[in-house]
This record gives sequence, structure tokens and C-alpha cells, in this order.
Amino acid sequence: TQLLEQSPQFLSIQEGENLTVYCNSSSVFSSLQWYRQEPGEGPVLLVTVVTGGEVKKLKRLTFQFGDARKDSSLHITAAQPGDTGLYLCAGDISGTYKYIFGTGTRLKVLA
Amino acid sequence: SQTIHQWPATLVQPVGSPLSLECTVEGTSNPNLYWYRQAAGRGLQLLFYSVGIGQISSEVPQNLSASRPQDRQFILSSKKLLLSDSGFYLCAWGQYTEAFFGQGTRLTVV
Repeated sequence: TQLLEQSPQFLSIQEGENLTVYCNSSSVFSSLQWYRQEPGEGPVLLVTVVTGGEVKKLKRLTFQFGDARKDSSLHITAAQPGDTGLYLCAGDISGTYKYIFGTGTRLKVLA
Repeated sequence: SQTIHQWPATLVQPVGSPLSLECTVEGTSNPNLYWYRQAAGRGLQLLFYSVGIGQISSEVPQNLSASRPQDRQFILSSKKLLLSDSGFYLCAWGQYTEAFFGQGTRLTVV
């Protein structure tokens, strides 16, 4: 059973377009993280959101944690080819030691 | 600063052969340690996690096992590999929030 579902699974857009990736769960998370992964490498942490309703901005990336701490979103403004990669949400389920990852969103930004 | 080492980077093994992947962490003590497997272009599947020496939790029934003989050492093993064990294996350490990864091992079972 996949506890963290991401959508869309694949996304191909033109440079300059905006996009949003969603991460949803029926479980409550103590916090949620977003990672980006390049082929053949481990994921690299982008951001952590902890408080329900929290919004964090990292240059053109905006991350939001749902009020109930069950979902999160990543919005990219004016996407660039350098944003191409696999985006993963992840988190530790409240009350457990499990750290699980979402199903992943593969983004391709065309020049 | 903390670092994590995982080896080997690539591995080609015949069906039925044993497996041992090792992961070590430096610069921190009593970390949570994780083994994940990743299918191409998809998310990471949690295989095992450990919150202390000798404490191993398995998430998915499979042909693999894990051990933590020392505080900062985590080993993934198999007695007899199957074709379906092929994949990209990642070790990570964390402190409940955030995980930091090694470079991964690309395992191909032939």
C-alpha cells in the first residue's frame, strides 16, 4: 500500500510555464519533505514543511503543507530546463519511525 | 559534517548468488538508518529501517534481509538473489525528519 500518492506521474511542459505537483495521503505526517533526484543519484532535499498550512518559498518554487498535515504541493513558476528531474515528497508518519516516499513526479521542461 | 558511504556503486550478480551491500555513516551518532529500492523513474520503496543497533524493521516481505552490527553500519543481504531483486538500492540516514542519501547501488541480477 502506497501511503503517499503524487500527481501527476509525468509532466512535460514548455519553458516559462507554471506547474503544480501534488502529494496526498490519508495519514497524518509530522512533517513533509520535498526532494529532487537526478538519474543514478540519491535524492537531494529541497525543503521541509512542519506546520499545517505552512508555505515556504525557494526562489521559483513554492511549497505548501496542508492544514491537516496529510497533503502537500509544490508549485514551480516559470519553469526552466534546469528544473527537469524526478520530484519526490516524503515524510515520517506521526507515531512511527517510518520514513516513506511518494510515488514520484517526473518533470521535463522543454527549451 | 555528516557523510554517508554506500558501496559498491554498480553490481552484476548471477541468479542464486549471495548479496551484501554496505552502508556507513560518519559524523553522527544513533541515526535512523534506511534501505530503499527504486524502480526506474519512480518513488522509493522502504525495505528496512533501524532505530538502533540490532533493531531492524522490515516493511515488505521479500528475499532480502538487513542487519545493523554497529551504530553507523547498515547492511543489506540476500542468500540467493532472484531476477526480481534487480533495481537501484539506496541507503539513507535520518533523524525522523529529512533523510540523507548515499550514492546508491545499481544491482543487476542476470
